[in-house]
Amino acid sequence: AQKVTQAQTEISVVEKEDVTLDCVYETRDTTYYLFWYKQPPSGELVFLIRRNSFDEQNEISGRYSWNFQKSTSSFNFTITASQVVDSAVYFCALSEVTGTASKLTFGTGTRLQVTL
Amino acid sequence: DSGVTQTPKHLITATGQRVTLRCSPRSGDLSVYWYQQSLDQGLQFLIQYYNGEERAKGNILERFSAQQFPDLHSELNLSSLELGDSALYFCASNLAGGANYGYTFGSGTRLTVV
Repeated sequence: AQKVTQAQTEISVVEKEDVTLDCVYETRDTTYYLFWYKQPPSGELVFLIRRNSFDEQNEISGRYSWNFQKSTSSFNFTITASQVVDSAVYFCALSEVTGTASKLTFGTGTRLQVTL
Repeated sequence: DSGVTQTPKHLITATGQRVTLRCSPRSGDLSVYWYQQSLDQGLQFLIQYYNGEERAKGNILERFSAQQFPDLHSELNLSSLELGDSALYFCASNLAGGANYGYTFGSGTRLTVV
């Protein structure tokens, strides 16, 4: 069975600090996809990144970066120079690939609070 | 606007009642997913449809049912509602069902059972 663990329930930082959100996953599949979603106070789920299991290249998008390490089954997310607008709940999720059938298994989320 | 439309945005109903949540997928997407987000269970997958057929099922209660219509919109029916069914219900869609297409979420329907 698939499992995603986000051990950090809540993180508080001061604006401009860097912060890393941890994600550890479990799956028996060799082909799978990992995702990060942001849920701001307004409630919607905003897609941030998708990474497949064969692509271990780290990715940077503006202030956001992701570190995927298959050896440790981790897909960590770093926000550099955090801003108040980054305050949200962040979810890591895993999806196996089985043709036209798929589903996301979400972690419990990490609430990030960025203050001035 | 993600392109996935969910109605209504908010719903308040009494225990024992039945409600229907509606989802219109992003234009061109054939697959629809339903998720429930509650305080105690977190974000949980309920069910997936692809081009009108059920493709995957999660921990969906027997009191809940769903379908996808020929025009590809989907409805989630919740009956004999209990207080514990209060949650945010999300619909997501993608092109052809596989994870490689990603998932686009709607803004959700917040259901409150009183």
